[in-house]
Amino acid sequence: DAGVTQSPTHLIKTRGQQVTLRCSPKSGHDTVSWYQQALGQGPQFIFQYYEEEERQRGNFPDRFSGHQFPNYSSELNVNALLLGDSALYLCASSRETGPDNQPQHFGDGTRLSIL
Amino acid sequence: QQQVKQSPQSLIVQKGGISIINCAYENTAFDYFPWYQQFPGKGPALLIAIRPDVSEKKEGRFTISFNKSAKQFSLHIMDSQPGDSATYFCAAPSRIFGNEKLTFGTGTRLTIIP
Repeated sequence: DAGVTQSPTHLIKTRGQQVTLRCSPKSGHDTVSWYQQALGQGPQFIFQYYEEEERQRGNFPDRFSGHQFPNYSSELNVNALLLGDSALYLCASSRETGPDNQPQHFGDGTRLSIL
Repeated sequence: QQQVKQSPQSLIVQKGGISIINCAYENTAFDYFPWYQQFPGKGPALLIAIRPDVSEKKEGRFTISFNKSAKQFSLHIMDSQPGDSATYFCAAPSRIFGNEKLTFGTGTRLTIIP
């Protein structure tokens, strides 16, 4: 049973460029959340997708956008990259329905470096 | 906005000793409190979680203690092993629609020395 998979694992971009990160949720999961983890910090919530719609959003600018596809996979897009966007981007999936709390399962992330 | 304060920032424990990490939260609207373990180059992995209607949960060498009145919860690692060396995060969920978003603590880097 595959867990959460993210691609690519590493990415190097320059300021002003645009980037797309991809996530496939754990089998049976239908909700995808994205987090940004700066070096030495805890993950910060970016947004969450369910039924192909953005349901919650953290304190991130509109340069950060996303999409969820019918197969529950998701993309994170960041436009006009800044040096401060350098971080580990984590995808977490969970199951919306169910009788009990559904903890989030994380992928190993995409390490994004901005030069 | 849920905030979670975690301490200590780093911890060095001798092999076989007890590692203790503490967290304090503000908002009382939650379903459970999870602890995540993260190794370098990996994503956070769910270690153990506790519901607010119990004061303690134990899974193997890992125990969560929960003090609802003080809004605090802690992770105890008994008989700490070198393989436990990792960064540990507590988290608190904020639920608006269906599933929750997690607010993480700042993390504790745990090092177990022989």
